[in-house]
Amino acid sequence: DAGVTQSPTHLIKTRGQQVTLRCSPKSGHDTVSWYQQALGQGPQFIFQYYEEEERQRGNFPDRFSGHQFPNYSSELNVNALLLGDSALYLCASSFRGQNQPQHFGDGTRLSIL
Amino acid sequence: GQQVMQIPQYQHVQEGEDFTTYCNSSTTLSNIQWYKQRPGGHPVFLIQLVKSGEVKKQKRLTFQFGEAKKNSSLHITATQTTDVGTYFCAGPNRGSTLGRLYFGRGTQLTVWP
Repeated sequence: DAGVTQSPTHLIKTRGQQVTLRCSPKSGHDTVSWYQQALGQGPQFIFQYYEEEERQRGNFPDRFSGHQFPNYSSELNVNALLLGDSALYLCASSFRGQNQPQHFGDGTRLSIL
Repeated sequence: GQQVMQIPQYQHVQEGEDFTTYCNSSTTLSNIQWYKQRPGGHPVFLIQLVKSGEVKKQKRLTFQFGEAKKNSSLHITATQTTDVGTYFCAGPNRGSTLGRLYFGRGTQLTVWP
C-alpha cells in the first residue's frame, strides 16, 4: 500500500524561474493539500484540491497555483520564484478532505538562488 | 486570522525525564491533531482528539484536549532517545469540514543519553 509520494525530492532554481512539484496521494485518498514549511516553522497551508477543484486556499499569492488530475494526483506550480520561496513543500492526502488525519509525503526541498 | 501557538519552542531533556508541550489556539477547534517530525523527515500523524476534555494515551504519551477546545497538551513520560523530533499540534476551525489544518510552530525536543 503506497503512501504519499512526491517528486522531485530536491530542486534548485534561480529567482524569476518557474517550478512544478508533483504528488501522488495515498491509495484510497482523493483529497490533496499542499503545505509550505520554512526552516524552523510549522507547515503553512497553501491550498487543497478535491474533485479536481481548488476547494480552499491559504494566504499565498496567485504565483502559487495547482491542479488535480482525475487519478487524484496533483501538481503545485510556483511562478516568478523569490528567495523567500525556499522551503520544504509538503503534500498531504486524506479522504474527502474531511477532518481526518493528514498523510504527508517526504516533501520537496526547494532552494532558490 | 487564526493562530496556533506552541510552547516551549525548544526543550532539552536527559533521557528518563518527562516532557510536556502546550498548544493554544486563538479560535475554537473542531478537533486537535498531533504530529511528530523527525529531523530531515516529514510530519507523521500521532493522534486526534475530538471531544472537549478528552484524554488519550499511547504508551508513554498522554494527550489532552481542553474543555473549551482551544488548548491541548502532549506529555511524554520517561523520554527516550527515540522521542527526538519536533512535535506539532494542528487543528481545523470549529464547524469546518474541509480539513484545512492550522499548525503551531512546534516544540523541538532533544534528548541526550
